Amino acid sequence: SQTIHQWPATLVQPVGSPLSLECTVEGTSNPNLYWYRQAAGRGLQLLFYSIGIGQISSEVPQNLSASRPQDRQFILSSKKLLLSDSGFYLCAWKALTGINTEAFFGQGTRLTVV
Amino acid sequence: GESVGLHLPTLSVQEGDNSIINCAYSNSASDYFIWYKQESGKGPQFIIDIRSNMDKRQGQRVTVLLNKTVKHLSLQIAATQPGDSAVYFCAENQGGSEKLVFGKGTKLTVNP
Repeated sequence: SQTIHQWPATLVQPVGSPLSLECTVEGTSNPNLYWYRQAAGRGLQLLFYSIGIGQISSEVPQNLSASRPQDRQFILSSKKLLLSDSGFYLCAWKALTGINTEAFFGQGTRLTVV
Repeated sequence: GESVGLHLPTLSVQEGDNSIINCAYSNSASDYFIWYKQESGKGPQFIIDIRSNMDKRQGQRVTVLLNKTVKHLSLQIAATQPGDSAVYFCAENQGGSEKLVFGKGTKLTVNP
């Protein structure tokens, strides 16, 4: 069966520090991968998605970047965190089959920038 | 920003009642819709989905209705239970892309 791992679960970082959040998927090949951010009282904002290694689509201009160095690995990064980067970050995957199917989410990382 | 919006941010119901959560979408090219349930501090979990060639789909205690004419989606939960308390999101897959866009969410509270 497929599983998605996201870590760390919580993170407190000072303003100006770098960020690296990692997401890995097991049990599937060539998945679509997604990074979302969820601010309090709002929905899930799509940040980045990837349909293959090295292929990244950015949805919102911001202080973050994403990379996909391996088929089942998706990394969210920042060189210098801002206070506004605080939030709940969620990674998701879905099968790239050409047929619509649901996305499966990790348990999220709660990031607090102080 | 999100292209999928929800009419009500909160909904309170009595245990045993039926719940209806609504969602409006704006992209007429969207061809696939999903309802997710998110409990506090956790990632969203899939509830039910529907493709644009359907107008109704039923699951266990849940029904999704799709009205493409007015671009409206709803989730009906029968005999709502305390364990149904959560935030519910609708999401749309914008046709021709791999983007999955979420709405703002409705917080459902079930009162005993």
